[in-house]
Amino acid sequence: AQSVTQLGSHVSVSEGALVLLRCNYSSSVPPYLFWYVQYPNQGLQLLLKYTSAATLVKGINGFEAEFKKSETSFHLTKPSAHMSDAAEYFCAVSDRGGANSKLTFGKGITLSVRP
Amino acid sequence: DAGITQSPRHKVTETGTPVTLRCHQTENHRYMYWYRQDPGHGLRLIHYSYGVKDTDKGEVSDGYSVSRSKTEDFLLTLESATSSQTSVYFCAISSQGSGNTIYFGEGSWLTVV
Repeated sequence: AQSVTQLGSHVSVSEGALVLLRCNYSSSVPPYLFWYVQYPNQGLQLLLKYTSAATLVKGINGFEAEFKKSETSFHLTKPSAHMSDAAEYFCAVSDRGGANSKLTFGKGITLSVRP
Repeated sequence: DAGITQSPRHKVTETGTPVTLRCHQTENHRYMYWYRQDPGHGLRLIHYSYGVKDTDKGEVSDGYSVSRSKTEDFLLTLESATSSQTSVYFCAISSQGSGNTIYFGEGSWLTVV
């Protein structure tokens, strides 16, 4: 069985500050890892995904995440927060990277950005 | 935009009534999924489909059934709605054509009173 832990439910940063959203996973097989973002009243949008290639993955909107097997982590970062980054962020894990993946999600983290 | 349309987008229904949510896609994606989103739980998989008339249960399938008679449509049915099924329901698709990436629809807000 696979699982994802996103510690804390809410993170608040100032505009221009570093964004760090934590994700730890549990998987009995090499994992495929994903970060999705959800803006209010919308569906989920893929930010980035790790599929066993480079451990540092760059995504959209200036976000990136680093896969660390020894720490079973896949934390999401952005050097400088923008007001438009305020949203809910979900980390997800799958046991396969193909089209028939079934994702297991974390509980999500709400990011607030202060002016 | 992966060509996913969910309907209805918002619905209020009474306990014990049947409800069907529809997911329609226009890009011939093979795999389709239904997830529900609840505060503190993230998204959880209800049912998924590998193709026409080929479906299977997910993590939280009790109280739900699905059907896929055409590639483009994946229906989620609550046979007798309960208040615990008040949630936001998301349809998702994936295929080689989507780069093996799962894309989500805009969601259907269901309230059971």
